[in-house]
Amino acid sequence: DGGITQSPKYLFRKEGQNVTLSCEQNLNHDAMYWYRQDPGQGLRLIYYSQIVNDFQKGDIAEGYSVSREKKESFPLTVTSAQKNPTAFYLCASKPLGGNLYSNQPQHFGDGTRLSIL
Amino acid sequence: GQQLNQSPQSMFIQEGEDVSMNCTSSSIFNTWLWYKQDPGEGPVLLIALYKAGELTSNGRLTAQFGITRKDSFLNISASIPSDVGIYFCAGRPNFGNEKLTFGTGTRLTIIP
Repeated sequence: DGGITQSPKYLFRKEGQNVTLSCEQNLNHDAMYWYRQDPGQGLRLIYYSQIVNDFQKGDIAEGYSVSREKKESFPLTVTSAQKNPTAFYLCASKPLGGNLYSNQPQHFGDGTRLSIL
Repeated sequence: GQQLNQSPQSMFIQEGEDVSMNCTSSSIFNTWLWYKQDPGEGPVLLIALYKAGELTSNGRLTAQFGITRKDSFLNISASIPSDVGIYFCAGRPNFGNEKLTFGTGTRLTIIP
């Protein structure tokens, strides 16, 4: 089945540790995104990438890093510099192209819940 | 950055009732999207809107792209238990900008 796979579903981190969240898609989508979701809030964009070996900061990039070495993979590292990392992290992807009236929307994985021990 | 005001924040309704929720923006959007999120899962796309004034249905769901391009509405008719969840609006400001801005969500609860 085609889709977006995030792993693990639940992740625990000790303070001061870096941790990497996986996102893989087999939809041949060009663009991939990472969002953070806190209780009672909407999704906030951390990083996004529209092409391999290129990515841009979103609205809350501080304390996070990403890489896009392959089209199908966009891992997110939560570094020790992120002081409040406990959240639900969502990965999304979409194809690029189309026009004003047919631009494809983003589709999401099932998320990774990160907690601090 | 741009902000989307989504209302109401929460709704408590009885099964069979109709539901309305909306999003407003301080600036123009070229695309409006509506997603539903179940607990512990990722959002699932319900409806995508691309033209001002556009009215689109998906089963019991109907969404409209406001004529001012600063708002959008989602209606659910004859609600059923599986409609429970959080509904998010999202807007894309202009063609070529692949970033979305999300509303804060409307939590729908159905009272037995």
